[in-house]
Amino acid sequence: QLQLQESGPGLVKPSETLSLSCTVSGGYISRSSYFWAWVRQPPGKALEWIGSMYQGGSAYYNPSLRSRVTISVDNSMNQFSLSLRSATAADTAIYFCARDDGYGSFDFWGQGKLVAV
Amino acid sequence: QSALAQPRSVSGSPGQSVTISCTGTSGDVGGYNYVSWYQHHPGKAPKLLISEVYKRPSGVPDRFSGSKSGNRASLTITGLQAEDEADYYCCSYGGSDIFFVAFGGGTKLTVL
Repeated sequence: QLQLQESGPGLVKPSETLSLSCTVSGGYISRSSYFWAWVRQPPGKALEWIGSMYQGGSAYYNPSLRSRVTISVDNSMNQFSLSLRSATAADTAIYFCARDDGYGSFDFWGQGKLVAV
Repeated sequence: QSALAQPRSVSGSPGQSVTISCTGTSGDVGGYNYVSWYQHHPGKAPKLLISEVYKRPSGVPDRFSGSKSGNRASLTITGLQAEDEADYYCCSYGGSDIFFVAFGGGTKLTVL
């Protein structure tokens, strides 16, 4: 069974970079034909897609965040990561990592990581 | 690209049926058969209920069904159970010019 687990700081200072990693177990990122995604949920608000990346390198981002976001994959660690630059209080949220079929269907999710800015 | 429109709340009694709507545009819901639905109990990971408009992943009860007409998608839950009380989100792919995924604003289901 595929499992995903987010990790990283729970507190980030304004203007700094929010960085999280997602470790995948029970399967290999490099051997899959899936995308790997980040989704967040600000307190009291709806889910928001941040972006998705294919293990081969193609990445797609929410236009509202594109200028500040990078998703990268480390196949050797079987991890993928999120980098959100110039963080503000509006970036305070629970951040989820998930597997994406490439069309917005997220079938496996991490438990979520609360990050406060 | 805007969030998909969902009712903020719906309710029903145990055993009844409810339908949650999700309205988008021809650039997302109406243009592609890539609508998915998620059940989210706060504090837990969202759970995929429906993919590609109507497909149920293994393990999802057939009480949950999805459909689409034009720019509107729907999730119907029959035989409501107490554990169905949760937030429900629709999601659509929109790739007319750029790859984009939009979630709905979420619907709180209360089982009376």
